[in-house]
Amino acid sequence: LAKTTQPISMDSYEGQEVNITCSHNNIATNDYITWYQQFPSQGPRFIIQGYKTKVTNEVASLFIPADRKSSTLSLPRVSLSDTAVYYCLVGDISSTGGFKTIFGAGTRLFVKA
Amino acid sequence: NAGVTQTPKFRILKIGQSMTLQCTQDMNHNYMYWYRQDPGMGLKLIYYSVGAGITDKGEVPNGYNVSRSTTEDFPLRLELAAPSQTSVYFCASSFPPGTSGYEQYFGPGTRLTVT
Repeated sequence: LAKTTQPISMDSYEGQEVNITCSHNNIATNDYITWYQQFPSQGPRFIIQGYKTKVTNEVASLFIPADRKSSTLSLPRVSLSDTAVYYCLVGDISSTGGFKTIFGAGTRLFVKA
Repeated sequence: NAGVTQTPKFRILKIGQSMTLQCTQDMNHNYMYWYRQDPGMGLKLIYYSVGAGITDKGEVPNGYNVSRSTTEDFPLRLELAAPSQTSVYFCASSFPPGTSGYEQYFGPGTRLTVT
């Protein structure tokens, strides 16, 4: 059972707002929701994280409804340089009691001029 | 701070050979992770460590081994390389998940080809 589900790809134009939604129906009470951005041939880079309601930083906003079964990453006024893969991530407690992180399959965002 | 460093950047192995991928972080992070990323796919967790001397399996641990003798280093060992292990390997580190969430810092990756 996948921990998270995201759209495989999205297209947008420069200057538009882009919203990427991630489903995480089995999220645990203590889990945070974190989003990463990855450019080709680079490691992922942290964008934003939240637990509930809305979080905003200088690059994005994260909306989390009260039931926390989904989250939406919002990128305002995207540019060509925002073309990348965006990953939604939640945590999981392993069978040995340790804590591991599960990346989703990612959403490929392509921004056109 | 150098952050997370990985060596080598590239490597070609023959089937059955062994190698160790090195990972070092200088941020005093307790948690360290190894992921693999196949072409066009997402990241899959191989192993992770919550501190020196403590490691645990991730989603795809078969064919790999890890050790964590110091806070800074988390090497990944491939004992008998197979073509299925052709991938890009990323090491990451973080503080323990909690009020700081899951912000992980990633290294630049090691591109491994097994032929």
